[in-house]
Amino acid sequence: DQQVKQNSPSLSVQEGRISILNCDYTNSMFDYFLWYKKYPAEGPTFLISISSIKDKNEDGRFTVFLNKSAKHLSLHIVPSQPGDSAVYFCAARPIYFGNEKLTFGTGTRLTIIP
Amino acid sequence: DVKVTQSSRYLVKRTGEKVFLECVQDMDHENMFWYRQDPGLGLRLIYFSYDVKMKEKGDIPEGYSVSREKKERFSLILESASTNQTSMYLCASSPRGGTYEQYFGPGTRLTVT
Repeated sequence: DQQVKQNSPSLSVQEGRISILNCDYTNSMFDYFLWYKKYPAEGPTFLISISSIKDKNEDGRFTVFLNKSAKHLSLHIVPSQPGDSAVYFCAARPIYFGNEKLTFGTGTRLTIIP
Repeated sequence: DVKVTQSSRYLVKRTGEKVFLECVQDMDHENMFWYRQDPGLGLRLIYFSYDVKMKEKGDIPEGYSVSREKKERFSLILESASTNQTSMYLCASSPRGGTYEQYFGPGTRLTVT
């Protein structure tokens, strides 16, 4: 039962354009969401997060949008740069007190075309 | 700078061998996690620990065990390695509470032949 889904396994975007990565979830108890970026042969690194009390969070070129009613979040990268080519994972955490686990999606491989 | 290290980057083992994967963090984090990453399946949680000598099963614990004797060290054990355990293994740690961000090690690519 995949509670966090990234339906696009791959995405190619021209350099300078906007990259939009999508993530859907099914568990209504998720209240905190994170995006991670992973290069080959390296561990994932944290990128940006959002709490369920917000619908948008921005950090430089990266913006995450959350639509709770649709159980959908998206990561926007503007403008896209070659160094953004990586696999992106979304992750979610449930509201239960003391539960520190994250549930990860299947990942989207982003390729930025120079 | 936060750091999570894993004992090996690449490992090749034979079917039936006992395999130890070690993870050390220097951030004094309470929580530690073991994941495996497989194409099309994302990161799946094997086991996690929220304190020394404490452990809980994740989503796919079968065929694995763990040990946490010291706060900074979390070991993953494959009791009898099988070919379907060929994968990338990732260790992570996080502080209790806070922003729930987990810090990952570089991963161990394990091949079981």
